[in-house]
Amino acid sequence: ETGVTQSPTHLIKTRGQQVTLRCSSQSGHNTVSWYQQALGQGPQFIFQYYREEENGRGNFPPRFSGLQFPNYSSELNVNALELDDSALYLCASSLGPEVDTQYFGPGTRLTVL
Amino acid sequence: DQQVKQNSPSLSVQEGRISILNCDYTNSMFDYFLWYKKYPAEGPTFLISISSIKDKNEDGRFTVFLNKSAKHLSLHIVPSQPGDSAVYFCAASRAELNDMRFGAGTRLTVKP
Repeated sequence: ETGVTQSPTHLIKTRGQQVTLRCSSQSGHNTVSWYQQALGQGPQFIFQYYREEENGRGNFPPRFSGLQFPNYSSELNVNALELDDSALYLCASSLGPEVDTQYFGPGTRLTVL
Repeated sequence: DQQVKQNSPSLSVQEGRISILNCDYTNSMFDYFLWYKKYPAEGPTFLISISSIKDKNEDGRFTVFLNKSAKHLSLHIVPSQPGDSAVYFCAASRAELNDMRFGAGTRLTVKP
């Protein structure tokens, strides 16, 4: 059973650019949640996808968008990058929307210059 | 808005002793609470949870206590082991919302 994987591991972008982060769910999991973790803070919920539909969203602007594919892998897209978008982006997969069964990936470290 | 707070950024304990990590929350609508452990270069790992209808949940060396009137929960690790050294996050959620709120984390160091 493979765990949750994320790519790339690290990424450097400049302000105004667009970025796509990828997440491969644990086998059999149909739910993916994305989180942003700024330095020295806990993860902040961005949104969740369940069976390819958005199933809840945190307090993030529309330039943060996502997709979930039929194989339940997922993408997080961020447009018009700002310096404050620099953070660790975590995805977590689960068998369903239940919060206690989430399995986190190692994260993608995004730096915006 | 920081609805979940972990006021101690770090904690150091001796191997074999008890570790107590604390967490406070402000939103009385939270009805499910979790603790996650995070090692460097890895994602958070679920440790233990508690529903708001309980005041204690135990799993081996780990026990979580919930005091709803004080809006406070704590994680007890007994006995502490060097392998427990990690960052511990407290999280809270509402059952009808898929919006889990995390604290900023407490770095636990267990010394041999």
